[in-house]
Amino acid sequence: DVKVTQSSRYLVKRTGEKVFLECVQDMDHENMFWYRQDPGLGLRLIYFSYDVKMKEKGDIPEGYSVSREKKERFSLILESASTNQTSMYLCASRTPYNTEAFFGQGTRLTVV
Amino acid sequence: TQLLEQSPQFLSIQEGENLTVYCNSSSVFSSLQWYRQEPGEGPVLLVTVVTGGEVKKLKRLTFQFGDARKDSSLHITAAQPGDTGLYLCAGAGSGGGADGLTFGKGTHLIIQP
Repeated sequence: DVKVTQSSRYLVKRTGEKVFLECVQDMDHENMFWYRQDPGLGLRLIYFSYDVKMKEKGDIPEGYSVSREKKERFSLILESASTNQTSMYLCASRTPYNTEAFFGQGTRLTVV
Repeated sequence: TQLLEQSPQFLSIQEGENLTVYCNSSSVFSSLQWYRQEPGEGPVLLVTVVTGGEVKKLKRLTFQFGDARKDSSLHITAAQPGDTGLYLCAGAGSGGGADGLTFGKGTHLIIQP
């Protein structure tokens, strides 16, 4: 069974902390994505990666960075967490030839 | 910027009723996907429609892609409480978002027993 696994289901962090969200996929997919999901705003793309060590900004990259050192792992980093980054974060992966995305279970991050 | 408008935004009906949710755009998409997301979980792909006019069935769920590939609908027959969730449509191609996908904001569906 194919899987995208996010390291935490729930996280509570303090304002100003550096936060790491990890995502691992076992499908050998080239493309990986980080979204945040907020009520009334839907899914918004933060960053994506087409290959190891490659990254591209999505629609809302401010305040975030990413790392892709291995094909199966894509990390989202909040350099200095702020309360407006409280959200549900979703990781997804897919091949370059198919737009069907496989999502992780999500990480609900609360910044206090 | 491409937009996918989903309607209704919220829908609460009794078990056994039928319902239809809509996904509309002024843009043409090469394909369109429907996902279901349960509370506290990530979206799960239900179906992809590719050809204009295409109809796909998944048990009690019927998906249709508009002839012009600008819109889609999801019809559920005899809804069950297990159908409760957030239904998302996502359009691919035709200059969508940076990742090639444009997501609608979703329809929150509640099926009351």
